[in-house]
Amino acid sequence: EAGVTQSPTHLIKTRGQQATLRCSPISGHTSVYWYQQALGLGLQFLLWYDEGEERNRGNFPPRFSGRQFPNYSSELNVNALELEDSALYLCASSPEHVGEQYFGPGTRLTVT
Amino acid sequence: SQQGEEDPQALSIQEGENATMNCSYKTSINNLQWYRQNSGRGLVHLILIRSNEREKHSGRLRVTLDTSKKSSSLLITASRAADTASYFCATDAVGRRALTFGSGTRLQVQP
Repeated sequence: EAGVTQSPTHLIKTRGQQATLRCSPISGHTSVYWYQQALGLGLQFLLWYDEGEERNRGNFPPRFSGRQFPNYSSELNVNALELEDSALYLCASSPEHVGEQYFGPGTRLTVT
Repeated sequence: SQQGEEDPQALSIQEGENATMNCSYKTSINNLQWYRQNSGRGLVHLILIRSNEREKHSGRLRVTLDTSKKSSSLLITASRAADTASYFCATDAVGRRALTFGSGTRLQVQP
């Protein structure tokens, strides 16, 4: 069974630009979660999507947004990039009503 | 914000020894999970313990949960060099469905 996949592996952007990160969940999983792992700040919850709807949001500004498609894949968009957005962005998926979350390898975003 | 605090921040042991990591959290939880991360890559799910469970085993892993003290411990027995990684606890708070991670313990197992 294929695991959670994320693309791209690395992304380098300039301050003020927009970044788009993509995630494909494990087949059969309907929930997708996004987390940010920034140096010195640890792993922080960003967004949770289920059945195409945003269900919960972490303490991040509105320039962090996303969506979930009918095939349950998801996109994370970060607008007006700032230097402190440089981090590893992790996507996870889970079956409905199950606690375990399964993580992808992450996208490392570098903002210069 | 980080709900969980993990102790110790770093641990260095010899192969074959046991490693114990502790985690504390602040709010009521549905479950507590432990994850492993190798060199800044994705997280690997290790074990989940529900709020009504006190102890759980999986291979060389043993997890305990004390909801009265809001704490958990992860024991890795007979450690191997391949266990070298960062270990995180994560709580699934009631009504939230978003994991809150601890600060992590960096484990180094010397061959």
